[in-house]
Amino acid sequence: VMTQSPATLSVSAGERATLSCRASQSVNYRLAWYQQKPGQAPRLLIHGASTRATGIPARFSGSGSGTEFTLTISSLQSEDFAVYSCQQYNNWPLTFGGGTKVEIK
Amino acid sequence: EVQLLESGGGLVQPGGSVRLSCVVSGFTFSAYAMSWVRQGPGKGLEWVSAISAGGDRSEYADSVKGRFSVSRDNSKSTLYLQMDSLRAEDTAEYHCAKAQGDLRNGYINWFDPWGQGTLVTVSS
Repeated sequence: VMTQSPATLSVSAGERATLSCRASQSVNYRLAWYQQKPGQAPRLLIHGASTRATGIPARFSGSGSGTEFTLTISSLQSEDFAVYSCQQYNNWPLTFGGGTKVEIK
Repeated sequence: EVQLLESGGGLVQPGGSVRLSCVVSGFTFSAYAMSWVRQGPGKGLEWVSAISAGGDRSEYADSVKGRFSVSRDNSKSTLYLQMDSLRAEDTAEYHCAKAQGDLRNGYINWFDPWGQGTLVTVSS
């Protein structure tokens, strides 16, 4: 089971956002992060816990291993307000966290 | 440009069936495993099924095993999801996604890119 916290994060543009994802058992470094905006397809941000996907800005960074992971957005831009989900791919079935909504403060 | 376009969703009665399609362009479809992921109203993402590049191996979430069947036609660059014995809890937006990994060797990693999804509503 993947648990994300907080469920909602209120942040001002330009501020730093820190999102957490916890696994009920170790997933090593096999974790991905996705961004989803209303009416749009989810977009891959991070894989391997810390590797940015192609075209993802450097303000997005991932860290962690085992059971504790963090997605950090260093300086929120207007286009970053969205829902962020983590996904483990160490064990079957593949599972996602419930998501963290990043909203404008 | 890579595109994944789902279709086939709609209103279905409980116990009914529907087949979803996902037409892919912009990459060599036959070289990649593919997957279906759904998102129920107000819920998080849920992986549903995956199929190997050649279509010879598939995996399913326990919640759909025995009711859903994934297939692909590599000559048409199209992925399918046959959904039978539908239940209210299957109501969701269904996304297809290109899967990084090799299901024939037992692993799927992350999903990139994704389609926008097609909505399936199971209700009487």
